[in-house]
Amino acid sequence: DQQVKQNSPSLSVQEGRISILNCDYTNSMFDYFLWYKKYPAEGPTFLISISSIKDKNEDGRFTVFLNKSAKHLSLHIVPSQPGDSAVYFCAAAYLNNDMRFGAGTRLTVKP
Amino acid sequence: NAGVMQNPRHLVRRRGQEARLRCSPMKGHSHVYWYRQLPEEGLKFMVYLQKENIIDESGMPKERFSAEFPKEGPSILRIQQVVRGDSAAYFCASSQKHGAHQPQHFGDGTRLSIL
Repeated sequence: DQQVKQNSPSLSVQEGRISILNCDYTNSMFDYFLWYKKYPAEGPTFLISISSIKDKNEDGRFTVFLNKSAKHLSLHIVPSQPGDSAVYFCAAAYLNNDMRFGAGTRLTVKP
Repeated sequence: NAGVMQNPRHLVRRRGQEARLRCSPMKGHSHVYWYRQLPEEGLKFMVYLQKENIIDESGMPKERFSAEFPKEGPSILRIQQVVRGDSAAYFCASSQKHGAHQPQHFGDGTRLSIL
């Protein structure tokens, strides 16, 4: 069962522009949503999260938006930098910290 | 390096052999999670352990796979009689506390290749 979906396997953006990564989920019981960033040959690194009771969380250049009625969340990166090039995983967690990951979106930021 | 340490980074086994993957959590973390990533797929939860206890193994295959987190030493994920389909990247994560709001910190993974 694929409870968390990232429908865009890749995204290419020009440096300085906004990157928008999307994620859809199917289970309204998820309590928390997280974004992880992954470079090749490394483990995922936690980036930003949002509780299901909120609709926005911002941390520097990164903002996560949650639309519960649409079961959709997105990660905005502005301005995008070449160092942001990585695979981004969306994850949804139940209260017991059981996490479900999407398949990832490969972001390429061109100089 | 106070991060999550996994070893080996790469492991090659022939079909039928055993694979043992080790994970040392971050200092002060007593919660360990194992995930498997198949090519072109996301990470899939396998098992969650707290010191000496398996809390949730709902994502782990019932046969050939086992996990432990002893009082002393690293957590071990053991795969017996490996098959080609076990080839994947196995990631370990740890957290200080347990709960949806506690980000998990990941190791760099062990890439298992089955010949």
